[in-house]
Amino acid sequence: DAGVTQSPTHLIKTRGQQVTLRCSPISGHKSVSWYQQVLGQGPQFIFQYYEKEERGRGNFPDRFSARQFPNYSSELNVNALLLGDSALYLCASSSGTGGALETQYFGPGTRLLVL
Amino acid sequence: KQEVTQIPAALSVPEGENLVLNCSFTDSAIYNLQWFRQDPGKGLTSLLLIQSSQREQTSGRLNASLDKSSGRSTLYIAASQPGDSATYLCAVTGTASKLTFGTGTRLQVTL
Repeated sequence: DAGVTQSPTHLIKTRGQQVTLRCSPISGHKSVSWYQQVLGQGPQFIFQYYEKEERGRGNFPDRFSARQFPNYSSELNVNALLLGDSALYLCASSSGTGGALETQYFGPGTRLLVL
Repeated sequence: KQEVTQIPAALSVPEGENLVLNCSFTDSAIYNLQWFRQDPGKGLTSLLLIQSSQREQTSGRLNASLDKSSGRSTLYIAASQPGDSATYLCAVTGTASKLTFGTGTRLQVTL
């Protein structure tokens, strides 16, 4: 079975542009979470979605938004890109509601570079 | 606010040596603690997950312990190999069900 997949793998944008990142969870998984990992740091929680509803949001500005589709795939959108948005964006899925006792499985990430 | 610290930030050991990586967290109200491996530029691979009611978990040459009351966990790697070279991250899950990560320990195992 395929694991969590993310697209694109790499992306280069300029300041002020908008970007959309995509994530497909493991088949049967209904919860998706997004994390941002700046170089040299641990991942930081951005969003969690379950059944198309936002279940949690980290300390990120409103420029960051996300949604989940009926097939449980998800998109992360970032508007008005800043240099500091350059990072590896990780998506994780879990089989249930995304509760604290569930194991989260991570995708390979999308590397975003903002110039 | 939960904070997770990992010591050391970087470690270089010769092949065959046993080693210990440390993780500490400030809020003991956690559901579980997880150790991940991350190769350069890649995603995260889960190594071990310890539920809050457990004291340790083992997988092959890896052993992770958890002392929730003192806010500490250790990852023990036995007989290290060059293929173990990677960054090791610990993360705790709290009531918000999000993972809070440490900054990682970058391990290099030399021949």
